[in-house]
Amino acid sequence: AQSVTQLDSQVPVFEEAPVELRCNYSSSVSVYLFWYVQYPNQGLQLLLKYLSGSTLVESINGFEAEFNKSQTSFHLRKPSVHISDTAEYFCAVSRTAGGTSYGKLTFGQGTILTVHP
Amino acid sequence: DTEVTQTPKHLVMGMTNKKSLKCEQHMGHRAMYWYKQKAKKPPELMFVYSYEKLSINESVPSRFSPECPNSSLLNLHLHALQPEDSALYLCASSYIVRGNSEQYFGPGTRLTVT
Repeated sequence: AQSVTQLDSQVPVFEEAPVELRCNYSSSVSVYLFWYVQYPNQGLQLLLKYLSGSTLVESINGFEAEFNKSQTSFHLRKPSVHISDTAEYFCAVSRTAGGTSYGKLTFGQGTILTVHP
Repeated sequence: DTEVTQTPKHLVMGMTNKKSLKCEQHMGHRAMYWYKQKAKKPPELMFVYSYEKLSINESVPSRFSPECPNSSLLNLHLHALQPEDSALYLCASSYIVRGNSEQYFGPGTRLTVT
């Protein structure tokens, strides 16, 4: 089975400051890693994903995440946040190979990022 | 078109009512999902359809009945719900059921059971 731990339930930060949202996972098998964002009263949107290759992945809106296999982490970072980044962020994993839970996303508990002016 | 649509946006129903939630996508995806999300919690998977066949049922109570009439549509039929079933119900789709398939989520139906 897989599990995901997001170490901070809430992260307040001022506009233009850097931010890091932490995610650790546990799995007995190889996994793919995802970050989803949920704006208030909306569904989830994929922010970025790690499938293979370079361990640093970037999104189009300035977020990046680095897969660290030895530390089983996939922390999300942004060097300068905007008010519009205020949302809830979910880290998730999915098995790379078959099994009864193949294709199933396992989510962390979420981190609410609040950007203050 | 990368949109998943869900109707209705809001639904209030009594415990004896029967209602349905609808989900539609036109991306040619062959995998569709129902999730339940309680406040301040992550989404919990309920059902997965692969090529219009139910492939995963996460031990969901029978008062929730999914249906996939065709590859673009997914319904969730509700009957005799309990107040604790009040939640945001999210539909998602992906190309196929596979670990690296990106899931596209709809905006959800906010359900209140009175």
